[in-house]
Amino acid sequence: SAVISQKPSRDICQRGTSLTIQCQVDSQVTMMFWYRQQPGQSLTLIATANQGSEATYESGFVIDKFPISRPNLTFSTLTVSNMSPEDSSIYLCSVAQLTGHTEAFFGQGTRLTVV
Amino acid sequence: QKEVEQDPGPLSVPEGAIVSLNCTYSNSAFQYFMWYRQYSRKGPELLMYTYSSGNKEDGRFTAQVDKSSKYISLFIRDSQPSDSATYLCAMSASGGSYIPTFGRGTSLIVHP
Repeated sequence: SAVISQKPSRDICQRGTSLTIQCQVDSQVTMMFWYRQQPGQSLTLIATANQGSEATYESGFVIDKFPISRPNLTFSTLTVSNMSPEDSSIYLCSVAQLTGHTEAFFGQGTRLTVV
Repeated sequence: QKEVEQDPGPLSVPEGAIVSLNCTYSNSAFQYFMWYRQYSRKGPELLMYTYSSGNKEDGRFTAQVDKSSKYISLFIRDSQPSDSATYLCAMSASGGSYIPTFGRGTSLIVHP
């Protein structure tokens, strides 16, 4: 299994500011994802982070609001831009290999509160 | 109708009870089925992973898939207070990119 380090683990931010969340994996992985999890809700996929190219966003999420970088096979960042209280949530990094079909692993999450 | 339905609970049981957690789904293309456990303020941790139909056992945990009914279950035997967590089911189709669809999770409370 992959060991995923995600930081910060939590933050309280002012509305209108931006926060960048980092995800570092201890081995090269094929796929990296960013999810959002609101209280009592399921995981919602924000985007797939593609190494060396633009991320693939899900419906309802746009690059201007959630820019993502993935400069190599072990690291990705998600920025939450121009934050509002509605962005308060847990943000999770997830990784998976595509050798056949394998399971996904998650980071510990970033608990974001926007005030 | 959501692709994956899961009762959010909470489900409260006494220590030692057998717990049954379930999900139903509508997409017949799903072939891979997973159960994750998520403790408060932590990321989801993979518990069980099965392919297609049948049972899989790992210690006190048994995962069961019934594709004809589009129904999956996770059984926990001899439940412990340390099993108290949210359990999420997830599933994905074969081929192409791997992007699972998650249930909303069931909150389980095992009281001493």
